[in-house]
Amino acid sequence: DAKTTQPPSMDCAEGRAANLPCNHSTISGNEYVYWYRQIHSQGPQYIIHGLKNNETNEMASLIITEDRKSSTLILPHATLRDTAVYYCIVRVAGIIFGKGTRLHILP
Amino acid sequence: DAGVIQSPRHEVTEMGQEVTLRCKPISGHDYLFWYRQTMMRGLELLIYFNNNVPIDDSGMPEDRFSAKMPNASFSTLKIQPSEPRDSAVYFCASSPGYRESNEKLFFGSGTQLSVL
Repeated sequence: DAKTTQPPSMDCAEGRAANLPCNHSTISGNEYVYWYRQIHSQGPQYIIHGLKNNETNEMASLIITEDRKSSTLILPHATLRDTAVYYCIVRVAGIIFGKGTRLHILP
Repeated sequence: DAGVIQSPRHEVTEMGQEVTLRCKPISGHDYLFWYRQTMMRGLELLIYFNNNVPIDDSGMPEDRFSAKMPNASFSTLKIQPSEPRDSAVYFCASSPGYRESNEKLFFGSGTQLSVL
């Protein structure tokens, strides 16, 4: 299973775009990239996923590099409610969560 | 749908006692996962089921832990005997099981377990 690497923490000003990077250099061709977030004391929440193409939904955008070795989750207009731990996951079956990135939104 | 339902929300017990955590997955979901979360170890996958059958239990810490899924709408995680180091938040999650959405997990609110 591909392993992911994320920065342990990041800050972002409220109203600005939050760009969260993830490295997954050992990803294989049939593995999707998934993003989840966990707000304090709640269960993780699905955000978005993709295979090759960039994806966008009501929550975020996902940019995957052409070689698929890294991706970026973009929260276009961060609010205080986006303060959470964000997990990047790559795996076909089952889910292994790493440490994630703790995102702090600054007022 | 009400989502994944876990009970109890909080459990406080004494060392040596048996603890049973319960989970009702989202109707129609083929996969069910049990996780444990602590500050030190983060979110750990304990076991997961596909169509009520345990597929991978390599994350179960030791024989004191057991999990069952007697039918598609119910699963239990049992700890017997419990120890203080089992104190954690235990999450249950379910997934539809389609290929592309295999990892689209829906989590419950968790059970906060404290073993004194």
